[in-house]
Amino acid sequence: DVKVTQSSRYLVKRTGEKVFLECVQDMDHENMFWYRQDPGLGLRLIYFSYDVKMKEKGDIPEGYSVSREKKERFSLILESASTNQTSMYLCASSFRRRAGTDTQYFGPGTRLTVL
Amino acid sequence: AQSVTQLGSHVSVSEGALVLLRCNYSSSVPPYLFWYVQYPNQGLQLLLKYTSAATLVKGINGFEAEFKKSETSFHLTKPSAHMSDAAEYFCAVSDRLNDMRFGAGTRLTVKP
Repeated sequence: DVKVTQSSRYLVKRTGEKVFLECVQDMDHENMFWYRQDPGLGLRLIYFSYDVKMKEKGDIPEGYSVSREKKERFSLILESASTNQTSMYLCASSFRRRAGTDTQYFGPGTRLTVL
Repeated sequence: AQSVTQLGSHVSVSEGALVLLRCNYSSSVPPYLFWYVQYPNQGLQLLLKYTSAATLVKGINGFEAEFKKSETSFHLTKPSAHMSDAAEYFCAVSDRLNDMRFGAGTRLTVKP
């Protein structure tokens, strides 16, 4: 079974803090993704990566950055957290590099609250 | 740009009744279409996907969906709802690069 793990299920941070969300997959997948999920908006893509040290912006990259130093790990960074970044963050991975038919496998999510 | 629209943010059915969750897509290229389910406090898991083979796709837990190009639809159905089907369901469209776009989701409630 594919396993995608996220470092925290719940996180509370203060405005202006630097926040790191970590994601690890154990199936040697090429692609990794970060989404945020908000009620009524579904999932929106923040960033994705199809190779180590490669990254591409999704639909809502503002206020976020990412890092992929190793194939199995993809980190999402909030440089200076703001209250409008309070959300559920979901990490996903898929097997082949940029293959449209591949299933994305999701982690359990991190619910981030910024006070 | 590709997108999906899920009609109805909430659907309520009785146990044993037909489940119908609607999804319409917009894509400039032949799409790949997915349905995912999210149970409370969990990530998303795949129910089924259409990848240009058979237009009627069967998935897990008795769900199926039919790709209708003329209607740009990919509606999800299940003949008989179970209490355990209560969850949020997401339709998604992917292009050939696995750039996936999700709908806003439909929350399914199953009444006893």
